[in-house]
Amino acid sequence: AQTVTQSQPEMSVQEAETVTLSCTYDTSESDYYLFWYKQPPSRQMILVIRQEAYKQQNATENRFSVNFQKAAKSFSLKISDSQLGDAAMYFCAYRSQGGSEKLVFGKGTKLTVNP
Amino acid sequence: GAGVSQTPSNKVTEKGKYVELRCDPISGHTALYWYRQSLGQGPEFLIYFQGTGAADDSGLPNDRFFAVRPEGSVSTLKIQRTERGDSAVYLCASSSGVGASPLHFGNGTRLTVT
Repeated sequence: AQTVTQSQPEMSVQEAETVTLSCTYDTSESDYYLFWYKQPPSRQMILVIRQEAYKQQNATENRFSVNFQKAAKSFSLKISDSQLGDAAMYFCAYRSQGGSEKLVFGKGTKLTVNP
Repeated sequence: GAGVSQTPSNKVTEKGKYVELRCDPISGHTALYWYRQSLGQGPEFLIYFQGTGAADDSGLPNDRFFAVRPEGSVSTLKIQRTERGDSAVYLCASSSGVGASPLHFGNGTRLTVT
């Protein structure tokens, strides 16, 4: 079974600075998808960014980018120019290609943005 | 358009009672998922529907938990003989397809069993 590990329970960053959240995963599959979700206090999970494993190019969405290292099974999230609204829980998630379509989540990292 | 809607937002029940949690997915989404999120944890998969059928129910913890999606749209998660350990936020998500199609989540139902 696949597992996702987020080793940083909490992180903090100064407004306008850059922060990187770590994620590693364990799988024997070669084709899969990786996601970062944000969960503010409202509880709704919001997709931040996604990456297909077959793509070598790292995904980017505005201030959010990933560093995908397939051989190392690492998928970190970089947030540039951090804003107060970025404060939330961030979850890394894995999804197999084919078979069950469920997402497997890590335990999350709580990000605090200091003004 | 409207997002995923979950009702009720909060539910308090006594140990041993039966509860139903409802999920209205985004219109046209064929895939629907239920997750359970305990305090300080990531969401744990419960069950996945593709259309009306449960394609994967491997996450249901025991036979007290059951979910249906009779017309391929609205889904109901049913919990019998609730226990205090069932207290959690129950999240529902829907998706238009498979693979990289993102899951769209509702705001969840916070279930408290006293």
